Amino acid sequence: EDKVVQSPLSLVVHEGDTVTLNCSYEVTNFRSLLWYKQEKKAPTFLFMLTSSGIEKKSGRLSSILDKKELSSILNITATQTGDSAIYLCGPWYQGGKLIFGQGTELSVKP
Amino acid sequence: NAGVTQTPKFRVLKTGQSMTLLCAQDMNHEYMYWYRQDPGMGLRLIHYSVGEGTTAKGEVPDGYNVSRLKKQNFLLGLESAAPSQTSVYFCASRRRPASYEQYFGPGTRLTVT
Repeated sequence: EDKVVQSPLSLVVHEGDTVTLNCSYEVTNFRSLLWYKQEKKAPTFLFMLTSSGIEKKSGRLSSILDKKELSSILNITATQTGDSAIYLCGPWYQGGKLIFGQGTELSVKP
Repeated sequence: NAGVTQTPKFRVLKTGQSMTLLCAQDMNHEYMYWYRQDPGMGLRLIHYSVGEGTTAKGEVPDGYNVSRLKKQNFLLGLESAAPSQTSVYFCASRRRPASYEQYFGPGTRLTVT
């Protein structure tokens, strides 16, 4: 059965900390992995990862895919209160199906 | 360019009632999706469509039906609502495989009493 597991499920840090969020997947016909940020509304796109070992970076956020380990990590450096959100990862299947993990709820305290 | 819109934004139903949620996109996207989101459960895929006239089941399809008669619209139906269907429903769309991003609608909050 296809499965996506994110860890930790929740995390509380202080501003300036660095966090690493994990996503592991077991799906058939894997194409790519997507990361989204959700702040009390619709999710917004962060990254799409297709190739193993190539880091995608956007400001203080970065992500990398390890196809051998069937996993991905999302790093956030120098966290800010505006980073507080639920972070979702999801594998995109060949054929168009896209499912998500249960999310990591990040809370950044001032 | 409105992106992905959902109608209605909020709804309260009684158990056993039926309703249809409408998702519309004006980006000419081939793929469309319906998800539900419950606390601690992330987004769970209900049904999806890879083109006009085609639909497929996702992870939690029971109790829901869908139709994609026009490319820009994807309808989600609840024939006999149950309290377990209380949730926030998100619609999303994306272009064919070359597209990076899946665009989400603003969500519909449904309560079944």
